[in-house]
Amino acid sequence: KNQVEQSPQSLIILEGKNCTLQCNYTVSPFSNLRWYKQDTGRGPVSLTIMTFSENTKSNGRYTATLDADTKQSSLHITASQLSDSASYICVVIGYKMRFGAGTRLTVKP
Amino acid sequence: NAGVTQTPKFQVLKTGQSMTLQCAQDMNHEYMSWYRQDPGMGLRLIHYSVGAGITDQGEVPNGYNVSRSTTEDFPLRLLSAAPSQTSVYFCASRRQGGLLGKNIQYFGAGTRLSVL
Repeated sequence: KNQVEQSPQSLIILEGKNCTLQCNYTVSPFSNLRWYKQDTGRGPVSLTIMTFSENTKSNGRYTATLDADTKQSSLHITASQLSDSASYICVVIGYKMRFGAGTRLTVKP
Repeated sequence: NAGVTQTPKFQVLKTGQSMTLQCAQDMNHEYMSWYRQDPGMGLRLIHYSVGAGITDQGEVPNGYNVSRSTTEDFPLRLLSAAPSQTSVYFCASRRQGGLLGKNIQYFGAGTRLSVL
């Protein structure tokens, strides 16, 4: 069983709408949690990094939250754009980096 | 800034052939690593290096070799390609420090490999 579970696997939304992606993890000990954006045919690009003491981190229209007690994180995308279409990967770092399988987001006009 | 550069972008091999995937970074990062990405799975670590002359195995090292003769380059060698090695391969680099501190990891664009 993967130590980092992401949901949903895929999501389709209309341009301009908001959405929230979920990440649950069992990694222990915990150092930090990262969200990456991966465009089709490209490598992942870092969006946010949060340590256990940080509850929220923003990067433009992207806002990540972290609840280290329940071991849950979410990535909220506001006012989606067509360019937000990508896979979003949650990565949890303890002794090692553990990658989620990603959520595939499609933004339609 | 070139960042992390991988070549080739695409490759088709026959079972049993060998090849080398190239990776170079120009950020003077100590830590470099290779991952494979398969559908429905998270990235899995193949091999990594914390500096020139130092390499170690990740989660899925079988069938792959690496070397790190310089800080900039970290090639991945497939010794005898198998269909199970059909995947997308990513090279990554970051500064080394702490317990996987908060150093941002930079990824290359990937090499898409098919083994027939």
